[in-house]
Amino acid sequence: NAGVTQTPKFQVLKTGQSMTLQCAQDMNHEYMSWYRQDPGMGLRLIHYSVGAGITDQGEVPNGYNVSRSTTEDFPLRLLSAAPSQTSVYFCASSYSKENRKLFFGSGTQLSVL
Amino acid sequence: DQQVKQNSPSLSVQEGRISILNCDYTNSMFDYFLWYKKYPAEGPTFLISISSIKDKNEDGRFTVFLNKSAKHLSLHIVPSQPGDSAVYFCAPQGGSEKLVFGKGTKLTVNP
Repeated sequence: NAGVTQTPKFQVLKTGQSMTLQCAQDMNHEYMSWYRQDPGMGLRLIHYSVGAGITDQGEVPNGYNVSRSTTEDFPLRLLSAAPSQTSVYFCASSYSKENRKLFFGSGTQLSVL
Repeated sequence: DQQVKQNSPSLSVQEGRISILNCDYTNSMFDYFLWYKKYPAEGPTFLISISSIKDKNEDGRFTVFLNKSAKHLSLHIVPSQPGDSAVYFCAPQGGSEKLVFGKGTKLTVNP
């Protein structure tokens, strides 16, 4: 049982490049979400999904897209990377939106030059 | 509008003493309160939670207290151990699907 798996662990991009951060969970969780962690800012919600085919915006959605075609996968797409998107990204999941205990992946450290 | 405030960015205590981490919230719709612990280079992990119908929940060395009238909760760690050194996030929930977190308090337990 792998839990929540994020890839890659590290990534360096140039401004304007696009990329996809992958997130997969094998716990059959309905709820999945993406957070970014910045110094002094804590964890801020980017996007979330309460089930396959359903996504919604969090606190800081601009510059990011998500989709949820399967229960297991919830990729985060950076459309045109900017230095302000340099951050550590965490994917998290829970059994449902009502069950609030989140399981987190180990994170992706992204640098945009 | 910051719904969740952890006003102490850092806290340093001696091994064996009590650590008290505080969290204040503004949204009266919150009905479930979680604490997460995060080590460097790892994802946060769930530590302890409390429902709004209770004012105290204890799990080993960790106790969470909830004061609904003051919209305040605290996490007590007794006795503190060096392995408790981490960042602790308060995460009140309820009334929304958006699960929000406080900014975190970095706890350092000195041997």
